[in-house]
Amino acid sequence: GQQLNQSPQSMFIQEGEDVSMNCTSSSIFNTWLWYKQDPGEGPVLLIALYKAGELTSNGRLTAQFGITRKDSFLNISASIPSDVGIYFCAGQPRAASGAGSYQLTFGKGTKLSVIP
Amino acid sequence: ETGVTQTPRHLVMGMTNKKSLKCEQHLGHNAMYWYKQSAKKPLELMFVYNFKEQTENNSVPSRFSPECPNSSHLFLHLHTLQPEDSALYLCASSQGGNFYEQYFGPGTRLTVT
Repeated sequence: GQQLNQSPQSMFIQEGEDVSMNCTSSSIFNTWLWYKQDPGEGPVLLIALYKAGELTSNGRLTAQFGITRKDSFLNISASIPSDVGIYFCAGQPRAASGAGSYQLTFGKGTKLSVIP
Repeated sequence: ETGVTQTPRHLVMGMTNKKSLKCEQHLGHNAMYWYKQSAKKPLELMFVYNFKEQTENNSVPSRFSPECPNSSHLFLHLHTLQPEDSALYLCASSQGGNFYEQYFGPGTRLTVT
């Protein structure tokens, strides 16, 4: 099946620093989504990307849909303590159609820790 | 209530028990999903319902039985579970025409003893 590789698996950064994480696949994806999950909660949708090359921002967060359609990255600028959590990428593979179209493939997540 | 709600938030059950998880979405969406989240593993899709009809069953063991009485409510009936079924069970919903933007509930932390 489809697999998404997220990196890094975890990162420790100083408050105020910028953060960059990415997600790659060996196959083409039609849609990329980025979620954040806080401990004991469900994932919260941050950004959705639908076109190759698309760059979308949500406050201090910026995500891009890679032009090869096999990767995406998420940047967080000027990190703050509440950015702590696990960030997941998810995507809809191009091969999915018909009954399979609802399925998203998820990465294993990047755990972000912010040092005040 | 807003968004997607799930009850109970925590559940401990023995292997011979029968219990049910409940999910309700207040977003007017048409599709609802059950996911299993285990440590160190990606989210695993279990079931998909679209307009109350099951459209996906990802080879889930029969000890998990979903029920979707309407587009706003989704249940997961549990019986004779195994310890390896302990996980966070997440419900999600999405709008018809944009199934990819899925909105998640807070999850039910299930422990099977």
